[in-house]
Amino acid sequence: DSGVTQTPKHLITATGQRVTLRCSPRSGDLSVYWYQQSLDQGLQFLIHYYNGEERAKGNILERFSAQQFPDLHSELNLSSLELGDSALYFCASSVEGLPDNEQFFGPGTRLTVL
Amino acid sequence: QKEVEQDPGPLSVPEGAIVSLNCTYSNSAFQYFMWYRQYSRKGPELLMYTYSSGNKEDGRFTAQVDKSSKYISLFIRDSQPSDSATYLCAMSARGTGRRALTFGSGTRLQVQP
Repeated sequence: DSGVTQTPKHLITATGQRVTLRCSPRSGDLSVYWYQQSLDQGLQFLIHYYNGEERAKGNILERFSAQQFPDLHSELNLSSLELGDSALYFCASSVEGLPDNEQFFGPGTRLTVL
Repeated sequence: QKEVEQDPGPLSVPEGAIVSLNCTYSNSAFQYFMWYRQYSRKGPELLMYTYSSGNKEDGRFTAQVDKSSKYISLFIRDSQPSDSATYLCAMSARGTGRRALTFGSGTRLQVQP
């Protein structure tokens, strides 16, 4: 158990809908990273938050957004869902010290768009 | 061309064998190098972490980083059936806003009893 929690474990929804994925980092970790894992693209970075502020964006679609709250949990919002958004979504947390950059992953949310 | 290249396998070995897994990369800014193990549909589990070059050993696992060749390796000694999983290499640069991981495509390992 990495100490990172994600809810829900599974989500099944229809095209055009909107969903919210939730992540709670390990105690003491200030950074949350979101990654998407699909069969054809592998694990890809979406977005990084540090202590409530956006730090970096990766291959995140405009239909997707995220935020990190004062209690450090994070939410990833996916809207206008398409079939191709079906994937595993992981969050990872890190203490973000120097020089360490160990990232610990949660169990993931499996999203199925029908 | 991908920034991180990893042979997808599958790699099948008998129990007790030494396993060698490798990745090459093209981005010279990468400073952090990690190996994750992922069981089917589960979250990646951090196995080894190395900052900059050199070797690191932890039990049956040894990670090597050769920055001059842009090549990293993971060795598993005395492999067990429970080691059967997908192994992902991951790496990142250093600095604010640059720490997101870039992953290889993963190598599927099967250890036969």
